Amino acid sequence: AQSVTQLGSHVSVSEGALVLLRCNYSSSVPPYLFWYVQYPNQGLQLLLKYTSAATLVKGINGFEAEFKKSETSFHLTKPSAHMSDAAEYFCAVSKEGNTPLVFGKGTRLSVIA
Amino acid sequence: NAGVTQTPKFRILKIGQSMTLQCAQDMNHNYMYWYRQDPGMGLKLIYYSVGAGITDKGEVPNGYNVSRSTTEDFPLRLELAAPSQTSVYFCASSYPFTDSPWQADTQYFGPGTRLTVL
Repeated sequence: AQSVTQLGSHVSVSEGALVLLRCNYSSSVPPYLFWYVQYPNQGLQLLLKYTSAATLVKGINGFEAEFKKSETSFHLTKPSAHMSDAAEYFCAVSKEGNTPLVFGKGTRLSVIA
Repeated sequence: NAGVTQTPKFRILKIGQSMTLQCAQDMNHNYMYWYRQDPGMGLKLIYYSVGAGITDKGEVPNGYNVSRSTTEDFPLRLELAAPSQTSVYFCASSYPFTDSPWQADTQYFGPGTRLTVL
């Protein structure tokens, strides 16, 4: 069975500081990994995904993530936080394309001016 | 394209009532999914479908039913509403075959339906 653990239900950073949101996964097969963002009262939007190509994945809005098989991790980073980055972020795993996603519990990111 | 649309946006039900949450997509996606989101719990899969006429249970199917008679529509039925079904429901769709690596295998989500059962 697949699972995702997101460390920290709430992360707070200052505007301009590094954003680091942690995600560890468990999967019996090479995984597909995703980061989604959810703004208040909206649906989920894809930030980036790993599907067995390059291990360093670049997404939208300046975010990137690195797939580390040895650490079973897929942490999300952004060099400089912006106020508009305040949202909830979900890490998700699937065993292959177009199979249902297994989500982590989410991390709420607050950005302080 | 409107993408994935869901109706209604909000609904309050009494215990024991029934309702259907509507989901439609205009992207010709063959895969569709229903998830529910509870505070602090992430999203959990209720049902999914790999094409018209084919559905399968997810992690939390009890109390729900689905049908998929067309590629575009994937309604979710609650037969006897219970307070435990108070949640936000998201529909999503995906498609494997596209020239865009970004679009392939990506699940596109609707705006959600917020359901309260009292």
